[in-house]
Amino acid sequence: SQQGEEDPQALSIQEGENATMNCSYKTSINNLQWYRQNSGRGLVHLILIRSNEREKHSGRLRVTLDTSKKSSSLLITASRAADTASYFCATDNNFNKFYFGSGTKLNVKP
Amino acid sequence: KAGVTQTPRYLIKTRGQQVTLSCSPISGHRSVSWYQQTPGQGLQFLFEYFSETQRNKGNFPGRFSGRQFSNSRSEMNVSTLELGDSALYLCASSRSGTDTQYFGPGTRLTVL
Repeated sequence: SQQGEEDPQALSIQEGENATMNCSYKTSINNLQWYRQNSGRGLVHLILIRSNEREKHSGRLRVTLDTSKKSSSLLITASRAADTASYFCATDNNFNKFYFGSGTKLNVKP
Repeated sequence: KAGVTQTPRYLIKTRGQQVTLSCSPISGHRSVSWYQQTPGQGLQFLFEYFSETQRNKGNFPGRFSGRQFSNSRSEMNVSTLELGDSALYLCASSRSGTDTQYFGPGTRLTVL
């Protein structure tokens, strides 16, 4: 399977702490994207990182990509209760055919 | 700019029936993709349309079909519904297909 796999499956932290989620994939990719989903709703796009990029930032989010290890990480700094959601990575190695991992459920306790 | 819209938001059907779901992409987006999300299988790619042509297809039976109209709006159809088709169906649009995908709120289908 080409699916990305997130790790850990679940993460529980206190507000203000940092949260790190990892994603591993199996084949070469064009880009990797991170999404957030709140309880059964649509997915919200967070960051897209291309295969020739190593790191990207967006507000409190930092994404790294290591194509040699076929892995990516998403760091959320100074987490808030509103960050409670499921986070998915999606890889694209075939024109607009995206593969999603099973997600990391993040619970940020106030 | 309006986001991706999906109708209906909720649907209840019985086994054997068929259903049609609709997706209106963001204005200017020509690519529409469909996904099925279930607790057991996660998010799975159904198919992608670009300029009225199916460009990619996932591993779903022929009961799942779709189409795209000239205004980029897309529909997906599921015939002969089975209990296992109960899921959240999400559509996503993007400009070209290789860039950021924007998701709609989804249609929750329950098959009884």
